[in-house]
Parts: sequence; C-alpha cells; structure tokens
Amino acid sequence: AQKVTQAQTEISVVEKEDVTLDCVYETRDTTYYLFWYKQPPSGELVFLIRRNSFDEQNEISGRYSWNFQKSTSSFNFTITASQVVDSAVYFCALSEASQTGANNLFFGTGTRLTVIP
Amino acid sequence: SAVISQKPSRDICQRGTSLTIQCQVDSQVTMMFWYRQQPGQSLTLIATANQGSEATYESGFVIDKFPISRPNLTFSTLTVSNMSPEDSSIYLCSGRTGYYGYTFGSGTRLTVV
Repeated sequence: AQKVTQAQTEISVVEKEDVTLDCVYETRDTTYYLFWYKQPPSGELVFLIRRNSFDEQNEISGRYSWNFQKSTSSFNFTITASQVVDSAVYFCALSEASQTGANNLFFGTGTRLTVIP
Repeated sequence: SAVISQKPSRDICQRGTSLTIQCQVDSQVTMMFWYRQQPGQSLTLIATANQGSEATYESGFVIDKFPISRPNLTFSTLTVSNMSPEDSSIYLCSGRTGYYGYTFGSGTRLTVV
C-alpha cells in the first residue's frame, strides 16, 4: 500500500536561513509520481513540482530545490534563503501509475513552515 | 494547464442542512477527485468521479452523505448532506489533466454551526 510520511509537523526558521522539508514514501509500483504542493493560509493548493520515478535528477527552481533518492525512498525539498512569504503548509504527495487504479494523489500529513522575520 | 473554478469559496451553514459545491474546469479532464481537509489535517480523498458513472467512494465516505455528480468532462458537484459540526472542513476538487498532472480548485471552507 502507498504511504507518504512527513515526519516534521512544524518547522520555524529565521528569515534567510535554509530549510529542508523531508518526505519519505512507500509504494509497490515501479512507476509513480511525486509532488510537492504549498498551501498558504488562504487554503488553495499551489503546485510546486512533479517528478516521475525514472528521473532521479535533482531539480532547482530559484530558491527551491528538490532531492529525489530512490535508494532511500525520499523526495526532500529545500528552500534556500527563506522568506516570510514562504510561510505555509507544504505537502508531499504520491500518485501511482497503476493501470487499474484511479491514480489519485496520496498526501502526506504536511509540514507547517513558519519563517520569522 | 487546466483551471478549476470552485464555488462557493466559503460558507457557514446550519446543522441538518445541505450544501452543494461546484467545480467547473476550463478544459476536459478524465478523472475528478474530491478531497476533505479537516482543520489542521492533511487531504483525505472522498471519492473519484468519472463522467457518466457513479462515483467511487473511499472507505469511510458514503454516497448518501456525499452525493457527487459528474454530468460531463468539465463539471462536477459534491453535496455535503445533513451537515453536522464535524463536517466543518475545507473541501477541494481536483482534476487529472494530461499525463499525471493534477489541478485543484481554490477550495470551499465550510463551517457548520
């Protein structure tokens, strides 16, 4: 069965510090997709990244970077030089590419990041 | 990518009443999903909605409580029936677009009093 674990419930950092949000997943599928979403206080979900299971290249987008390691089933997210606007709840999610399933997203429990000015 | 308009954005309802949430997508999507997010919690899948067929509900969710319609590939509704304070949550719809892309509505923040 699939599972996404975000062990960090809450993190607080001072502005300009770097912060890494951890995500560990479980799946029996060999083909799957991993996602990160940001949920600001307004409640909408903001898509950040999608990565498929065959692409282990790390990715950088501005201050954001992602480290995907299949060997440890982890897909960690780092924010460099954090800003107050980064304060939000961040969700890691998994979609299995089963041919028989609906392929919905399974969400982790989320990490609430607070950036202190 | 597709854009989903979700209405209402928030509502305060009396217990025992029902609320219907609508999601309109600006392009056709194969699967639509409905999620519930209870206060301070993660997103939990309520059901998956295919066009022209009955929705498939997850364990713990039943059609009588959360009836769903999916009349075409761009529209879906979720009704929260006979509401109680425990139904106070954010409800989000999502559409699967393209190849494992997922777009979300902006959410409906429901408070039951």
